[in-house]
Amino acid sequence: GAGVSQSPSNKVTEKGKDVELRCDPISGHTALYWYRQRLGQGLEFLIYFQGNSAPDKSGLPSDRFSAERTGESVSTLTIQRTQQEDSAVYLCASSLAAGAIYGYTFGSGTRLTVV
Amino acid sequence: DQQVKQNSPSLSVQEGRISILNCDYTNSMFDYFLWYKKYPAEGPTFLISISSIKDKNEDGRFTVFLNKSAKHLSLHIVPSQPGDSAVYFCAASYGSSNTGKLIFGQGTTLQVKP
Repeated sequence: GAGVSQSPSNKVTEKGKDVELRCDPISGHTALYWYRQRLGQGLEFLIYFQGNSAPDKSGLPSDRFSAERTGESVSTLTIQRTQQEDSAVYLCASSLAAGAIYGYTFGSGTRLTVV
Repeated sequence: DQQVKQNSPSLSVQEGRISILNCDYTNSMFDYFLWYKKYPAEGPTFLISISSIKDKNEDGRFTVFLNKSAKHLSLHIVPSQPGDSAVYFCAASYGSSNTGKLIFGQGTTLQVKP
């Protein structure tokens, strides 16, 4: 596609349920990042994928969070047993290659509300 | 531990005047800095960047200044336009050839009044 596509755009879930967020990066972009933005805060790094290398999971806040990426295509971020503090906008970005100089293209995000 | 800080949550300027958005960082290992702009319900979009080997980079109405000794960068928008009203994030990277992981500030909401 022309841009980074994220689905769903909005998700309301009950505390304790699992949710899965999807990201379709730009075709040909080898690097993929997940960030989240909680209300009034900056973007917080979660996880990074680059080709077939082991992902950098250093930003995942707890073991309830996991993410997968199939090759250089779709990625899914899964949050198990959601908590209210998980409420945030989850942003996915892709980049032509690893390295800040290549720049990110962000999707519009998934707004997750845990009630 | 906030490594990138934008201490002004909001800024309001008159159309045609200069907007100056500030950003401070704590980690001297950062060597590449970027500014992103974000409209409501959209993802951030890249605006301008600067490498630590430079102290200024200009692109049209947007100029970024880097003061490494003070660990401070600023974004100047001249002249400001109502369409510039958005949230602006500064971001920093460890090594331009590294993973590309960015550390973002909290953002500054700019309002440009007609």
